[in-house]
Amino acid sequence: ILNVEQSPQSLHVQEGDSTNFTCSFPSSNFYALHWYRWETAKSPEALFVMTLNGDEKKKGRISATLNTKEGYSYLYIKGSQPEDSATYLCAFIRRGSNYKLTFGKGTLLTVNP
Amino acid sequence: DVKVTQSSRYLVKRTGEKVFLECVQDMDHENMFWYRQDPGLGLRLIYFSYDVKMKEKGDIPEGYSVSREKKERFSLILESASTNQTSMYLCASSTSTDWYEKLFFGSGTQLSVL
Repeated sequence: ILNVEQSPQSLHVQEGDSTNFTCSFPSSNFYALHWYRWETAKSPEALFVMTLNGDEKKKGRISATLNTKEGYSYLYIKGSQPEDSATYLCAFIRRGSNYKLTFGKGTLLTVNP
Repeated sequence: DVKVTQSSRYLVKRTGEKVFLECVQDMDHENMFWYRQDPGLGLRLIYFSYDVKMKEKGDIPEGYSVSREKKERFSLILESASTNQTSMYLCASSTSTDWYEKLFFGSGTQLSVL
C-alpha cells in the first residue's frame, strides 16, 4: 500500500494571508503527481499535473513545486481569499502500478474574511 | 463544458438491496473510475475501466462490481448493500492520451445504507 501523506490536516487563515501545504509520497518509481481542489458540494477539480523533478506550476494565486528525489510537493496560495476555502488533495501515480492514482487524505483550508 | 454526471446526489437504501450507481461522461474518455470517500480516509479506488467491457479492480473491490457496456457509461453495482458501504461515491473519467492525464470528477453520490 502506497503512503501519500498530506499536512497539515486542516488550516485556518485570515483573508490576505499566504499559506502552503505539503504532500509527501514515495520517492521511488515516480510517474506523476496531481493536485485537486474540492469545494463543498462540488466536484473535485484538477489544479496541476506534475511529472518532472523540479516542476513548478502556477495558476493565478496558486502555485506548486515538485521534488521527486525526496518525495514531496508543496502547494502555495498567495493572498488567500474566502473562495479558496476547500479541501486540497494530492494524488500520486507510481510507475508500474497500472498507473492508478493514490490519494492523500487532503488538507482542509478555511479562509476567514 | 466537459461533464461527468452521476445519476443521484443522495440515495438511501436498505441492507441487502441491490444498488446501482450510474455515471455518464460526455468527453469521449476511454478511462473511467469509481472512488469512495470516507471521513479521515483519502479517496479510495474501487474499480476502473480503460475501455468498453474492460474492468480492473482497484484497492477495495470487495462487495462491488461494475459494468461498462458503452464508452460513456460506467455503473457501480452493490450486489447486496451493507451498512459499511455507506459512503460518498465519486465517479471520474480521463483520456488515455497519457496515463498521467488529470481526472474529471462527478459531483458525487452520498449513499446511506440503513
